[in-house]
Amino acid sequence: NAGVTQTPKFRVLKTGQSMTLLCAQDMNHEYMYWYRQDPGMGLRLIHYSVGEGTTAKGEVPDGYNVSRLKKQNFLLGLESAAPSQTSVYFCASSRQRPNTGELFFGEGSRLTVL
Amino acid sequence: GQQVMQIPQYQHVQEGEDFTTYCNSSTTLSNIQWYKQRPGGHPVFLIQLVKSGEVKKQKRLTFQFGEAKKNSSLHITATQTTDVGTYFCAGPQGAQKLVFGQGTRLTINP
Repeated sequence: NAGVTQTPKFRVLKTGQSMTLLCAQDMNHEYMYWYRQDPGMGLRLIHYSVGEGTTAKGEVPDGYNVSRLKKQNFLLGLESAAPSQTSVYFCASSRQRPNTGELFFGEGSRLTVL
Repeated sequence: GQQVMQIPQYQHVQEGEDFTTYCNSSTTLSNIQWYKQRPGGHPVFLIQLVKSGEVKKQKRLTFQFGEAKKNSSLHITATQTTDVGTYFCAGPQGAQKLVFGQGTRLTINP
């Protein structure tokens, strides 16, 4: 089992460009999440999904969009990248609701916006 | 909304010394989870505490959940270089979200 796989692992964008981060999990998990990690800020939730076809906003959703067309995939989109979106992005999934079960994280995607 | 505060932000110790990180929530938590992130790595689940006053041990790591279920701690006895990393606590916000503390970054002088 690969677990949670994120692509790409590194990306450099110019301000205003768009891109999509892909998260794929092979554990048949219902719940999927996108977090961003910045120094001194911990992990902040961007968007999450509680099942195929559903998405919801987290703590810091502005500037991002997501889609969960297939249960195993959760896409994070940046329509017009800004330097403030320079960060490390982590996707995570869980079999149970997060108040009962652990999160499994991908290896992260490091994004730099110039 | 619910906040999870973690202190200290950084801790540097000599190998063999003990280490403790503390986590405090503004609201009562149904459970608390702890994660470890090695430098350059991703967070990995360590443990979940559910009961008031619960204490769990994993080798040199001791996890506690407060009686009021609003605070928690992780204590490492006799640190080793393999303990280097950032330790996060996380508490559920509602049924569907997990809120993370800012993390405590542990560095060790061998």
